[in-house]
Amino acid sequence: GQQLNQSPQSMFIQEGEDVSMNCTSSSIFNTWLWYKQDPGEGPVLLIALYKAGELTSNGRLTAQFGITRKDSFLNISASIPSDVGIYFCAGLLASGTYKYIFGTGTRLKVLA
Amino acid sequence: DGGITQSPKYLFRKEGQNVTLSCEQNLNHDAMYWYRQDPGQGLRLIYYSQIVNDFQKGDIAEGYSVSREKKESFPLTVTSAQKNPTAFYLCASTPRGDRGRNEQFFGPGTRLTVL
Repeated sequence: GQQLNQSPQSMFIQEGEDVSMNCTSSSIFNTWLWYKQDPGEGPVLLIALYKAGELTSNGRLTAQFGITRKDSFLNISASIPSDVGIYFCAGLLASGTYKYIFGTGTRLKVLA
Repeated sequence: DGGITQSPKYLFRKEGQNVTLSCEQNLNHDAMYWYRQDPGQGLRLIYYSQIVNDFQKGDIAEGYSVSREKKESFPLTVTSAQKNPTAFYLCASTPRGDRGRNEQFFGPGTRLTVL
């Protein structure tokens, strides 16, 4: 099945630093979703994006829907230890189906 | 309290046995999904249903079966034909009617282990 290219795969950062990650594809999407997943738990929806160029924030998190509709970015500002986990993106293809395509995830570790 | 429930949280099965994973949602969502998650891999779609009494195969449907007799319920059966069933299974739902709101919400997951 199709998957989104998500990078980086993992990152270690110091507490207080900003974090950026992105998802890219050759396909066009009409929705981008960003999730955080803790070990052994279901993913939690962080941000939903619906329009090309849209920039949406949720606390310290900011995500953008790429202008080409083929990519999306997530930024976390001033990271804290509880930000640790796996973040992944999901896109809903613009082709009319209701199938979501998922990124492989970015594992974030925050060093206090 | 609205949401998606999956039961049980942990499930153990002997080889050759069928097992059914439960998924219930009270969000009034039309579409429901089953995914499989393996270590180091992204979510893979098993089956999805956009409306009651209708469902479609996803990318890895072999060895699995589903039913959608009620809007709020979408059980997944892992059959003995599934060669490598040990995995973390996630159920999700989406409001389908308004294409402007396509958030997908997940349940807490069921970890299936075949002994």
